[in-house]
Amino acid sequence: RKEVEQDPGPFNVPEGATVAFNCTYSNSASQSFFWYRQDCRKEPKLLMSVYSSGNEDGRFTAQLNRASQYISLLIRDSKLSDSATYLCVVNWSSNTGKLIFGQGTTLQVKP
Amino acid sequence: DTGVSQNPRHKITKRGQNVTFRCDPISEHNRLYWYRQTLGQGPEFLTYFQNEAQLEKSRLLSDRFSAERPKGSFSTLEIQRTEQGDSAMYLCASSRTENYGYTFGSGTRLTVV
Repeated sequence: RKEVEQDPGPFNVPEGATVAFNCTYSNSASQSFFWYRQDCRKEPKLLMSVYSSGNEDGRFTAQLNRASQYISLLIRDSKLSDSATYLCVVNWSSNTGKLIFGQGTTLQVKP
Repeated sequence: DTGVSQNPRHKITKRGQNVTFRCDPISEHNRLYWYRQTLGQGPEFLTYFQNEAQLEKSRLLSDRFSAERPKGSFSTLEIQRTEQGDSAMYLCASSRTENYGYTFGSGTRLTVV
């Protein structure tokens, strides 16, 4: 089993659509969770942290289910500029802060 | 805060040559990480420094790879006797504590021909 698993997509959606990405992780001891965004041939950039109670940042909502070891990202009212790869990221070690990245899910928002 | 800086941005080398990459982290960040990313994959962990101490190395880091962070500031990653399979984007990241996400540099894209 991969440490962090994501559906690579691509997800092709029209502007204005709502889209959800899911991710599962194998280390039940993981404590911190993140979503990163990566544009083509660029470095990953932190999109948002994921908290146990769920959290929202504008059109983006992240959810964590520790019992199922499952993380989700919901994007509402998709914009063309949301087209990117979204990486699910799990803190693998509370001592080192080592992050393990999923393969990424590609989103294409069409006009 | 000038961000994480990596040099060079691109490197093309012949198989068998040695290459060295440099990373300058955000100045107040004591944690520094190296990752490698190939097309269609997420970044893969290579190694981690806390200050000048290298505290963890991935099994991906064969004996041809070595990383240093001599004064706890900048870091170098050297690949000896490069192989075509080493072609990838090498990403450096830094963070202040273990509970925060990283800030990545722009990466060094290595092509081995």
